[in-house]
Amino acid sequence: QKEVEQNSGPLSVPEGAIASLNCTYSDRVSQSFFWYRQYSGKSPELIMSIYSNGDKEDGRFTAQLNKASQYVSLLIRDSQPSDSATYLCAVSRRVGYKLSFGAGTTVTVRA
Amino acid sequence: DAGVTQSPTHLIKTRGQQVTLRCSPKSGHDTVSWYQQALGQGPQFIFQYYEEEERQRGNFPDRFSGHQFPNYSSELNVNALLLGDSALYLCASSLEKTPGHIEAFFGQGTRLTVV
Repeated sequence: QKEVEQNSGPLSVPEGAIASLNCTYSDRVSQSFFWYRQYSGKSPELIMSIYSNGDKEDGRFTAQLNKASQYVSLLIRDSQPSDSATYLCAVSRRVGYKLSFGAGTTVTVRA
Repeated sequence: DAGVTQSPTHLIKTRGQQVTLRCSPKSGHDTVSWYQQALGQGPQFIFQYYEEEERQRGNFPDRFSGHQFPNYSSELNVNALLLGDSALYLCASSLEKTPGHIEAFFGQGTRLTVV
C-alpha cells in the first residue's frame, strides 16, 4: 500500500467551477498535511497546510482533513485557467519530519 | 528575501560519472531536505540535514550522499550514475524551531539527465 494516494487524473473542469482533489494516507500517526501546486517544468509551491480536523480556507482554496478516515482534500473554487497544474498531496508523520508525497493529480481548467 | 536556490538548473552526465548538486536554503532556515522527482511521479525523500548532520534518510542507496555546511547550505552527491538517476532533484528548506508547525519550501530544482 502506498503511503499517500491521490485520485487519478487528469481532472478537467470548466472555468468558474469547483475542482475537488482527494488524498488518502496510510500512516495513522501523521500530523501535518500539505498541498503543493506544481506547474509543468517547475518546482512544487506550497499552497495550503492543515494540521487539525475540519476545514481551512485561504482565498479560493479550502483544505479539509479527517484524521479518523485518513483523508485530506482540496477544493478550488471559481477555478481559473491559471489553476491548471499538478497538485501534490504531502503528509508528514511529525513536525519537521520527511514529507511523503502522492503522485499528484493534474488539473486542467478549460476556458 | 532570497528563497531556496539550487545550482545548476540543468545537468547532463554520463553513466558511471559522479555529480554534485548545491542548495542554499531560504534566509533564516536551518534545515535542508533533498527529494528526487521522476517524471510523472511525486517527489521521493532522499535525506534531511540539520546541524550539519544527516538526520533522516529515505530508501536510497549509499551512492547518494550529502553534506551541510555551517552556513546551512547543502550538497547532494551521487556516485556511479545510472540511467535511472535521471530526474528532477529538489531541495527544500525549513526552520527547525518554527513556532507552531514547520513548512518546507522548495527551490527551482536541478534537472539531471544521465546518458
